[in-house]
Amino acid sequence: KNQVEQSPQSLIILEGKNCTLQCNYTVSPFSNLRWYKQDTGRGPVSLTIMTFSENTKSNGRYTATLDADTKQSSLHITASQLSDSASYICVVLNYGQNFVFGPGTRLSVLP
Amino acid sequence: DAGVIQSPRHEVTEMGQEVTLRCKPISGHNSLFWYRQTMMRGLELLIYFNNNVPIDDSGMPEDRFSAKMPNASFSTLKIQPSEPRDSAVYFCASSAPGIRPQHFGDGTRLSIL
Repeated sequence: KNQVEQSPQSLIILEGKNCTLQCNYTVSPFSNLRWYKQDTGRGPVSLTIMTFSENTKSNGRYTATLDADTKQSSLHITASQLSDSASYICVVLNYGQNFVFGPGTRLSVLP
Repeated sequence: DAGVIQSPRHEVTEMGQEVTLRCKPISGHNSLFWYRQTMMRGLELLIYFNNNVPIDDSGMPEDRFSAKMPNASFSTLKIQPSEPRDSAVYFCASSAPGIRPQHFGDGTRLSIL
């Protein structure tokens, strides 16, 4: 069964600290994995897209990693800012263009 | 360049009424997606179009839901008749050809009373 799990469900950190969000998937055949950031009341915004051959991809203070062997991905946020408070959603696509969404991680950054 | 434009932003109506949500994708994008988001179920893909042709509508909950894309710059999602359980935020997204990011609109918050 195609499935995407994310952990933790929610996370609270202090401004300036780093954090890492996890995504595990069982989607196959794997095509690509995407991380989105969704602010409250807004549509999701794409952070990274990684294909099978890519291990790491950065977008400013956001760095995503992919281990296709263990079917795990992580999103690392460096030097967090208040504006990083949002939900982070992991999405995995297979070659049938089926989108499988994770439930998201709710991040709160406190001053 | 304008992003994906959705209308209305908010819709409140009584059950049994017809609801039409509208979406204008980004110019030059050839794929368009309709999503529904609720607290209980998260983001769900309802249907997507490629070059104005529906490719996968397996996420459409039932026959009360229908979507059209008459041209490359406009799409509608219609619910008839609406029910309270249809209350959710509906997002439209578009993307360019290839493995490219989807660009989402700000959604329509639908409340069925």
